Amino acid sequence: DGGITQSPKYLFRKEGQNVTLSCEQNLNHDAMYWYRQDPGQGLRLIYYSQIVNDFQKGDIAEGYSVSREKKESFPLTVTSAQKNPTAFYLCASRRLLRAYNSPLHFGNGTRLTVT
Amino acid sequence: RKEVEQDPGPFNVPEGATVAFNCTYSNSASQSFFWYRQDCRKEPKLLMSVYSSGNEDGRFTAQLNRASQYISLLIRDSKLSDSATYLCVVNPAGSNTGKLIFGQGTTLQVKP
Repeated sequence: DGGITQSPKYLFRKEGQNVTLSCEQNLNHDAMYWYRQDPGQGLRLIYYSQIVNDFQKGDIAEGYSVSREKKESFPLTVTSAQKNPTAFYLCASRRLLRAYNSPLHFGNGTRLTVT
Repeated sequence: RKEVEQDPGPFNVPEGATVAFNCTYSNSASQSFFWYRQDCRKEPKLLMSVYSSGNEDGRFTAQLNRASQYISLLIRDSKLSDSATYLCVVNPAGSNTGKLIFGQGTTLQVKP
C-alpha cells in the first residue's frame, strides 16, 4: 500500500544536539511538506519542496534545514539554533498535477522531546 | 484578519445531535477546500474535499459559499467516535506551490 512513513515515532534529545527526522513516501507525489504542531495549536509550515533538489521556507523555517535529494525522501534536521524544538512534527505530500483539488496526505508524525 | 478562521469550540453535543461548523477564508480567489479530522496526538486525516456544488458522504455534508467566503461541515446523528478536532484547509489562488492554509481547528466533543 502507498503511504508516507515517518520515523521514529518518538525521539528524545539533549539540548544543543542536532536531530534529523525521516520522511519517505511511495505515492509518487511531487510535493512534500514539513509541519510543526504544538499542544492545542494548529499546524505551522516549516519547509516545503515541489521538486527534487529544490525547497522553500515556510512560515517558521528558522532553526530547521531540509534536503530533497530523492523524490521519495524529505528529511528534516532540527538544529541547535531552534529555540523551542519540542513539538509534534508532521510530514505530508501531495501531487501537483491538478493541484487545485489535490489533498495533503500525512505521515503519522514524530514527537520530538528536547531536554 | 487570518487567512482561514475557525471557531475553536469546543462544541459539546449529545449523541444523535446534528452539528455544523463554519470556516471563513479571506482570499476570494481561493480554489479548493478540504476538511480534515485530527484525533488527539495523531496525524490529520482527510475527511472530505469540498466541491462548489457541495458534497455528501454518509452523515457528513460539506458546503461551499463563495459569495460569503465560507465552507461548512454538517455532521448528522453524531457518534461518540466523531469526537475530534476538525481542520479546515484552503488552497489559495495561484498556489501551485501547494502552500495550503490551515485553520486552527474546531474541537467537537460528543457526549453519551
